[in-house]
Amino acid sequence: DQQVKQNSPSLSVQEGRISILNCDYTNSMFDYFLWYKKYPAEGPTFLISISSIKDKNEDGRFTVFLNKSAKHLSLHIVPSQPGDSAVYFCAASARYGQNFVFGPGTRLSVLP
Amino acid sequence: ETGVTQSPTHLIKTRGQQVTLRCSSQSGHNTVSWYQQALGQGPQFIFQYYREEENGRGNFPPRFSGLQFPNYSSELNVNALELDDSALYLCASQFQGAPEAFFGQGTRLTVV
Repeated sequence: DQQVKQNSPSLSVQEGRISILNCDYTNSMFDYFLWYKKYPAEGPTFLISISSIKDKNEDGRFTVFLNKSAKHLSLHIVPSQPGDSAVYFCAASARYGQNFVFGPGTRLSVLP
Repeated sequence: ETGVTQSPTHLIKTRGQQVTLRCSSQSGHNTVSWYQQALGQGPQFIFQYYREEENGRGNFPPRFSGLQFPNYSSELNVNALELDDSALYLCASQFQGAPEAFFGQGTRLTVV
């Protein structure tokens, strides 16, 4: 039973356009959500997070939106760059410092 | 400030053997978590250690065990290796109560 779902295994976007990665979750106890980026042969790198008391968090080109009633979050990357090509994981936890439940990942390809 | 480092980076073991993987946490971080990432999947939580005590465990059998040392470094031990244990093993460190965790580059374990 997947508690965190990323239904798009892959996504291709043109350089300079917007990338939108989606994530759905089922556990209403999740209180904190994160996005990690992973390049081959490297560990996941923290990108951006959001707590359930917010519906939006921005950091430079990255914005995460949370719709708690729909149990849905999305990561927007604007503008997309070729260096953004990686696998993106959505993760959730029930409280700060607790373990994360990860989705299966979405492979983003940004085409020059 | 050094990041999270794991050793070895790659390892090949025979079914039935035992393996120990090592992790040095990021400076100042007192909590270490271990994750298993099978091919094409997101990381799965194995367990977490805080101040040398196990502080949560995922759905993994007892042959997966761990240790945390006074300097907050950690080991993951797996006994009686099975073919399905072949995966990337990731260590993540964080300061207890802080929301984000920072990952090492992982150890790729192959069981033959």
